[in-house]
Amino acid sequence: EAGVAQSPRYKIIEKRQSVAFWCNPISGHATLYWYQQILGQGPKLLIQFQNNGVVDDSQLPKDRFSAERLKGVDSTLKIQPAKLEDSAVYLCASSLEGTGANVLTFGAGSRLTVL
Amino acid sequence: KNEVEQSPQNLTAQEGEFITINCSYSVGISALHWLQQHPGGGIVSLFMLSSGKKKHGRLIATINIQEKHSSLHITASHPRDSAVYICAVGPRSAFGTGTRLTIIP
Repeated sequence: EAGVAQSPRYKIIEKRQSVAFWCNPISGHATLYWYQQILGQGPKLLIQFQNNGVVDDSQLPKDRFSAERLKGVDSTLKIQPAKLEDSAVYLCASSLEGTGANVLTFGAGSRLTVL
Repeated sequence: KNEVEQSPQNLTAQEGEFITINCSYSVGISALHWLQQHPGGGIVSLFMLSSGKKKHGRLIATINIQEKHSSLHITASHPRDSAVYICAVGPRSAFGTGTRLTIIP
């Protein structure tokens, strides 16, 4: 079984530029999560999708972050414009369904450095 | 106050020691996850549990729903167990800040 695929693995941009991350979950997983993990901290949920609908985006800074999962499969997370404090690893995870009672499978993450 | 609290934040032990990492949560949960993150590596799911106890090799995870507390134990610890161990609870996907474990040979 293929894992959760993420790209790019690394990205360096200057502040005020934009960046996009892509995630392809495990086939058949209805629930997809995007997390932000700042160095030394635990992951923070940014957004949770159930198929192509948003379940929870309460911690997504909507003035600069956006995410979509149009066909209920892969997803993109965009930051525009980026700030220095957005430097972090952006993790994508998926599970069969979103009650929290299924195993989470994580991608390798996308490390963003904002200069 | 965080919804999920872990202790200790850092733990250094000698190879072979019995390790315990604790997790307390303040919200209702559908399940609790223990995750492992190696330096520069991805996150791997170790356990998902909603009651009782689970064992996998040298790792044991327990949960007490009434007390809203879970523990992760490692028996006969080894340097390759050195990693950050993270507790997370669903359905809201709240994470603890992690426990950095270092096992010295």
